[in-house]
Amino acid sequence: EAGVAQSPRYKIIEKRQSVAFWCNPISGHATLYWYQQILGQGPKLLIQFQNNGVVDDSQLPKDRFSAERLKGVDSTLKIQPAKLEDSAVYLCASSLVPGGQPKRRDFGPGTRLLVL
Amino acid sequence: LAKTTQPISMDSYEGQEVNITCSHNNIATNDYITWYQQFPSQGPRFIIQGYKTKVTNEVASLFIPADRKSSTLSLPRVSLSDTAVYYCLVGDDLSYGGSQGNLIFGKGTKLSVKP
Repeated sequence: EAGVAQSPRYKIIEKRQSVAFWCNPISGHATLYWYQQILGQGPKLLIQFQNNGVVDDSQLPKDRFSAERLKGVDSTLKIQPAKLEDSAVYLCASSLVPGGQPKRRDFGPGTRLLVL
Repeated sequence: LAKTTQPISMDSYEGQEVNITCSHNNIATNDYITWYQQFPSQGPRFIIQGYKTKVTNEVASLFIPADRKSSTLSLPRVSLSDTAVYYCLVGDDLSYGGSQGNLIFGKGTKLSVKP
């Protein structure tokens, strides 16, 4: 079974530039998550999709971050404009339809972003 | 919203059994306890999940006392490749909206295994 795919793996940009990350979840996983992981901390949920609908974006800085999941499969996360504090690893994860016992999140390798 | 507390770091030697304890005093009736492992430059990986008593799989065991206010992840005979950060999460998949899917990652426990 193919895992969660993410690209690019690394990105370096200057502050105020824009950047986009792509995620392809495991086939059949209806739930998709984007996490931000700052060095030395645990992953922090930014947004959660159920198919192509948003179910939780309470931690997403909506003035600069946006995400979409067209057709309920692939997803993109965009930052515009980027700030120095956005330097982090952006992790995409997917899981089966939630409900009751938490479903295991399968994580991708992440995209490491450095904002200069 | 359950909050977890676990040691920041632990050291061990190859071949030893490692026990990492997580405190979750405010665990709710519907909450499960889930552990993830994360190696450098990789995303977290699911290890084990349980609700009460003991759960065992090919990787680890999870011990949960009757009051469920804590849990212990047990790694038998660790090797150098078990050096990683281990996260304890408490929650369910029933709640949304402002609760981060009700499964929050803390800072985890950094386990260092030495030869």
